[in-house]
Amino acid sequence: QKEVEQDPGPLSVPEGAIVSLNCTYSNSAFQYFMWYRQYSRKGPELLMYTYSSGNKEDGRFTAQVDKSSKYISLFIRDSQPSDSATYLCAMNRGGGNKLTFGTGTQLKVEL
Amino acid sequence: GAVVSQHPSWVICKSGTSVKIECRSLDFQATTMFWYRQFPKQSLMLMATSNEGSKATYEQGVEKDKFLINHASLTLSTLTVTSAHPEDSSFYICSARNLRTSGNNEQFFGPGTRLTVL
Repeated sequence: QKEVEQDPGPLSVPEGAIVSLNCTYSNSAFQYFMWYRQYSRKGPELLMYTYSSGNKEDGRFTAQVDKSSKYISLFIRDSQPSDSATYLCAMNRGGGNKLTFGTGTQLKVEL
Repeated sequence: GAVVSQHPSWVICKSGTSVKIECRSLDFQATTMFWYRQFPKQSLMLMATSNEGSKATYEQGVEKDKFLINHASLTLSTLTVTSAHPEDSSFYICSARNLRTSGNNEQFFGPGTRLTVL
């Protein structure tokens, strides 16, 4: 079993839809949770960075962490074609330790 | 802030030659940089952790004599793929930790280097 599980998709939604992306994990030591967006042939771009359980909102993006269920989510409101990319969840124990990544979910927002 | 660059962005080389990839933090100091490789439609696989002024720590299964890492300063780390073979063709991405970021745990990624070995 992988430490971090993420549905690879592809996920196709119409423009304006609310998108829900999720990851589950097995290591209870993970404390920091991140979402990265990666366009084709580009490096990952940090979207959201959260610590422990709770919600964090930034513009159209909301990150949720439920440590009791070992489940994290990224919501995208009013999705746009420019949101079409691969979304990677990542997490670690903190202290600058290495990140453990999900496989990434490919999202396509269609006109 | 927190910009990481890589050079070159893409390189094609002949089998048996060596290729050097540079990773620079442009507007911050990074004591630690990480090197990843990514195959098409797959996630990032950590190859090694590079600490300024000390030897890199390699992940299990990564040949340290083949993938030479040097972290000469707080803004520069290099990855040299020695005696490259076609199976080394991949997308190589570096990331860096920002000393000034609260908690010092966020990682910022470079744009990646696409290596093709003929």
